[in-house]
Amino acid sequence: GAGVSQSPSNKVTEKGKDVELRCDPISGHTALYWYRQSLGQGLEFLIYFQGNSAPDKSGLPSDRFSAERTGGSVSTLTIQRTQQEDSAVYLCASSLAPGQGRGNQPQHFGDGTRLSIL
Amino acid sequence: SQKIEQNSEALNIQEGKTATLTCNYTNYSPAYLQWYRQDPGRGPVFLLLIRENEKEKRKERLKVTFDTTLKQSLFHITASQPADSATYLCAPSGNTPLVFGKGTRLSVIA
Repeated sequence: GAGVSQSPSNKVTEKGKDVELRCDPISGHTALYWYRQSLGQGLEFLIYFQGNSAPDKSGLPSDRFSAERTGGSVSTLTIQRTQQEDSAVYLCASSLAPGQGRGNQPQHFGDGTRLSIL
Repeated sequence: SQKIEQNSEALNIQEGKTATLTCNYTNYSPAYLQWYRQDPGRGPVFLLLIRENEKEKRKERLKVTFDTTLKQSLFHITASQPADSATYLCAPSGNTPLVFGKGTRLSVIA
């Protein structure tokens, strides 16, 4: 079946502009995650959605970052007033509903959006 | 704060040998530990998940161990092949977001 789909695959924009990144998770996956990966760095957790629960936004680096998930499926990550330090690969993952702990389900990743801020 | 260390940034081995990658963690007690493979320009791909009450888990040529006393996981690839060349990420987790190590870049030389 189809995997996690992210669009666009590449985005180049000027500093100060707003950007929207889209993620289509695997059908039936109730959990959705956003991560950021900078060059030579590990994956940095941004936000987590699970079903109808309030999202865990603890990883968002500033109030310029926000995300929503409509209808329990597609998610959009928005970065307002982009800065050069926002340049990174933004990865989305989805999984079946975790049980007691978040780490008990494999996560399925898209190939990311490579964001470059000029 | 939670900290994860993967043994080295890069590891080179000869084809056919066993590759052993190390993941050490501090300041928390994860109930699960996951390993992923990441190729350049691609998202991570899930390989194995091991629970704290499991000492070892195998899948084809892959073997993972989880020592909660040492706070360490070892990831082995036996009979390594050039196609195994990639970056391998570990992610210990409990009831918190997955925290990923920076990864070890494995190169298998023919």
